[in-house]
Formats: sequence, structure tokens, C-alpha cells
Amino acid sequence: DADVTQTPRNRITKTGKRIMLECSQTKGHDRMYWYRQDPGLGLRLIYYSFDVKDINKGEISDGYSVSRQAQAKFSLSLESAIPNQTALYFCATSDEGTGSYEQYFGPGTRLTVT
Amino acid sequence: RKEVEQDPGPFNVPEGATVAFNCTYSNSASQSFFWYRQDCRKEPKLLMSVYSSGNEDGRFTAQLNRASQYISLLIRDSKLSDSATYLCVASTSGTYKYIFGTGTRLKVLA
Repeated sequence: DADVTQTPRNRITKTGKRIMLECSQTKGHDRMYWYRQDPGLGLRLIYYSFDVKDINKGEISDGYSVSRQAQAKFSLSLESAIPNQTALYFCATSDEGTGSYEQYFGPGTRLTVT
Repeated sequence: RKEVEQDPGPFNVPEGATVAFNCTYSNSASQSFFWYRQDCRKEPKLLMSVYSSGNEDGRFTAQLNRASQYISLLIRDSKLSDSATYLCVASTSGTYKYIFGTGTRLKVLA
């Protein structure tokens, strides 16, 4: 089984709808991240969380919110989806307490807003 | 100017060739560097970390040049399976901030 899972894998939604993307991990890592990837722009950080009580904005948080329900779960919400939020969304985890800075990514959610 | 810049490519090389990618970073406080591999529509996966002394893993060699603020990835004896996009990443130690380049696309041709 995958260590970092994301649901749904693909989603098409209409402008103005609320949508939630979910991420779960079995790696036991404290740190979790949400990124979006757009052609030509690379991966950009939306939100990150260092533990259950810690939530921080990344470089492009406008229009998004997150919830860290447990160490293993980190959800991303689009309160009112708009077409320019069409992108590939990745959740990632890391465990920098071990001195390793590697990020482990989920398989991604392809979101289309029409 | 982007914090991490890469040539998007594509680099089209024949099997068996040696190919090198460079990546420049603008934040002199960056301390940790990585190369990630991303296959089409898949998640990025760590290929290798980049150490000050350089490091090698099989056919892959990574180098760091702090004075000129760039890192490089050398792939020897290219395989068809090396075809992917290679992402350069810089991080400032002790922070959350991983800055990803937009990636360099490699196509290895039979």
C-alpha cells in the first residue's frame, strides 16, 4: 500500500462549488504539505503543517483552506472553486527530525474547474 | 527572477549518451539541494540529495557549486527508462521552504 494517498484522484467540478481534497499518510511524519503544479510554473506551496496544531500559509494560499484532522490526515478545501484553480495537486510529507529533508509525495489529484 | 531556474528542455539524447543538466538558485542562504524525478502525470520522487562534496549513485552524479550558485546532474549511459522530467530543489535549512524548479525534460531515444 502507498505511504501517502490522496482522494479523489481526478475531479471535475463547476465554478463556485466547494471541494475538498484529502490526504492520508502512514509514514508517521509530522510535516505535511499541499502543493499545486501548473505547466511552466513548477510546484508551488499552498499550505503546510508541522504538527496537528500548526498550520501555515505557503506562497499561494488565497482561495484555499486546510484542516489537519490528525497527524496522518491533511485536507485541502477550495471554498468556491474558480477555473484558474484547475491544476494537479500534490500532498507531501517529510520527517526532518531524522535529518532527512526528503519529501514524499502522494499520487496527485487532477482537478478541473469548469 | 525565479529562485530556482532550470532549462525546460527537452533534451533528446540517444541511448548510451551522457547528458548533464544545470540548475541555478538565487538564494545564497539555501543549504540543502535535491534532484527529484517526475514521470508524466505522476508524483515527484527523490532521485538524490546533493552534497557539498558531490555525490554519485550508479550512473548519476550530482555536484554543487556554491560560489556560482548552481547544481548539476550528470547521467551516464542513458537508458530509455531515464526519460522523465528532472526537478531541481533548493531548501533553506531549518525552514519549510522547498523551492522547486520547473523541471528539465529528458527524452532518451532508441
